[in-house]
Amino acid sequence: KQEVTQIPAALSVPEGENLVLNCSFTDSAIYNLQWFRQDPGKGLTSLLLIQSSQREQTSGRLNASLDKSSGRSTLYIAASQPGDSATYLCATNTDKLIFGTGTRLQVFP
Amino acid sequence: GAVVSQHPSRVICKSGTSVKIECRSLDFQATTMFWYRQFPKQSLMLMATSNEGSKATYEQGVEKDKFLINHASLTLSTLTVTSAHPEDSSFYICSAGGGTGINEQYFGPGTRLTVT
Repeated sequence: KQEVTQIPAALSVPEGENLVLNCSFTDSAIYNLQWFRQDPGKGLTSLLLIQSSQREQTSGRLNASLDKSSGRSTLYIAASQPGDSATYLCATNTDKLIFGTGTRLQVFP
Repeated sequence: GAVVSQHPSRVICKSGTSVKIECRSLDFQATTMFWYRQFPKQSLMLMATSNEGSKATYEQGVEKDKFLINHASLTLSTLTVTSAHPEDSSFYICSAGGGTGINEQYFGPGTRLTVT
């Protein structure tokens, strides 16, 4: 049974810092892995999707890497801004999405 | 493109009543839709997978007679919470994909259900 864990559970940083959010999973037989953003009381916004054959994906200040063999993915946020404050979720896809526990990020001015 | 809507966005109902939540794919056909539940400060948990024209597949521990799912067309799936109780209060989110689960899923904005 796939288990997805995210570290840290919460993070509070001043704006401008570069951040690394971690996601680990137990079953490496995944089709892809997605990173999402969720604002309080809202739905999910897809940030990046990495196929199992890919090593990384980039979108603006976001970069996600995938090491399937070790069961790890990282989300790198460059030059963080207060608008980045949200909960970040990773999810592995093995014919269904299994979500991690989330990292609650607060970026203060 | 790939927009998924949910209705209603928020609903309050009395204990013992039933509530229907709609999930629509607005600009694509979704052969598969998924229903998730999220309790406060917790992650999303998959409840069931809904396939157009066939019965839904429920995850372990989810009562199929309590959470009725209908996927009557390629753009609409509904979740009916029957005989709702306060413990059913949660955030319900649907997603839609163009094929099997390996394809990217697009998420709706969620429905906040409060049972009093």
